[in-house]
Amino acid sequence: SAVISQKPSRDICQRGTSLTIQCQVDSQVTMMFWYRQQPGQSLTLIATANQGSEATYESGFVIDKFPISRPNLTFSTLTVSNMSPEDSSIYLCSVVWDRRGEQFFGPGTRLTVL
Amino acid sequence: KQEVTQIPAALSVPEGENLVLNCSFTDSAIYNLQWFRQDPGKGLTSLLLIQSSQREQTSGRLNASLDKSSGRSTLYIAASQPGDSATYLCAVRRRDDKIIFGKGTRLHILP
Repeated sequence: SAVISQKPSRDICQRGTSLTIQCQVDSQVTMMFWYRQQPGQSLTLIATANQGSEATYESGFVIDKFPISRPNLTFSTLTVSNMSPEDSSIYLCSVVWDRRGEQFFGPGTRLTVL
Repeated sequence: KQEVTQIPAALSVPEGENLVLNCSFTDSAIYNLQWFRQDPGKGLTSLLLIQSSQREQTSGRLNASLDKSSGRSTLYIAASQPGDSATYLCAVRRRDDKIIFGKGTRLHILP
């Protein structure tokens, strides 16, 4: 299975600022995703991080708010821009590891916006 | 549009009991179905993956079944333990690679 790390593990930020979350995988993977989990809710897919090209965003999420980079097959960043309290969530990085399509998740980044 | 529903939303059972968590999905054209466990404030841990061509998978005290034609999956936990307390999430992967999650079942095992 893939080992996924995220930085930071948690942060408390002020309204209007931006935070960049890093996701590092110990092996090369093709498919990498970013999810948001709001308090008490299930996971919502933000975007698919594509290596060498622009991310593919889900309905309701835009690049200006959630810019994503994926410079190679083991690393990606998600930036939460111009934050508001409504952005307080856990942000999770995920990869699909093998031909069976099994999905693995990082430990998450708990973001609180004041 | 694929929708994934998990019932019950919450469940409390005494330690040692066997239990079943349910997951239903509206579109049977899936690639696979995966069960996860999530502890409070943590990421997701993969428990079992069932391919669309399979009927069940087992790992230790866990057994997951899949009935694609009826759009249902169950997660069976045998001889429950307090350490099994967590939220259990079901996720289906569509053939376009989008993964849809249910809202989860919060399980509490009473010592």
